[in-house]
Amino acid sequence: GESVGLHLPTLSVQEGDNSIINCAYSNSASDYFIWYKQESGKGPQFIIDIRSNMDKRQGQRVTVLLNKTVKHLSLQIAATQPGDSAVYFCAENQNTGNQFYFGTGTSLTVIP
Amino acid sequence: DTAVSQTPKYLVTQMGNDKSIKCEQNLGHDTMYWYKQDSKKFLKIMFSYNNKELIINETVPNRFSPKSPDKAHLNLHINSLELGDSAVYFCASSQDWGVSADAFFGQGTRLTVV
Repeated sequence: GESVGLHLPTLSVQEGDNSIINCAYSNSASDYFIWYKQESGKGPQFIIDIRSNMDKRQGQRVTVLLNKTVKHLSLQIAATQPGDSAVYFCAENQNTGNQFYFGTGTSLTVIP
Repeated sequence: DTAVSQTPKYLVTQMGNDKSIKCEQNLGHDTMYWYKQDSKKFLKIMFSYNNKELIINETVPNRFSPKSPDKAHLNLHINSLELGDSAVYFCASSQDWGVSADAFFGQGTRLTVV
């Protein structure tokens, strides 16, 4: 399943499928990006980060892709599990005051 | 041990009251933050303190006043509470200025103003 972030804030996928969560960032000067996962009733938790000198970074079951040309970031989750159900945020460091700005968030629901 | 702890977890109060939310981190980080998350899950930074010094103060009503008695604590005091203040408030900390890979968020304080 795939979301378009701002336009489709919810995404439902079957357990075992791959998930793709998209994020359009606003500032071409942003040089550092982080994906966070927020489970219900909890604070955001770091998943993976990427710097602007890279276009891909892989973690455990997650991959982040960065396309600076179109200012687009995506998070791919392989073999999605029920425990992946959460709201996912991308955050960009706009390189102004070294602070991060969070995107709208996408709610991922995994169907067993 | 909880890395970033906030109290209380839930707070229900009437309009016009003054309330405080406390935050403590035991990670030895130099920087602490307050974020506000609205009902649509939008997260916005409010304040950032580095070594007890205010670094970021986004456009926030002056009814909100952060206080950092030491590096491990950043409390948020809110005067004359309004209905629009209802939200979940998150405290976070990181070693360096700017949320980075080592940033930890607290569990949040759900504030409901009635």
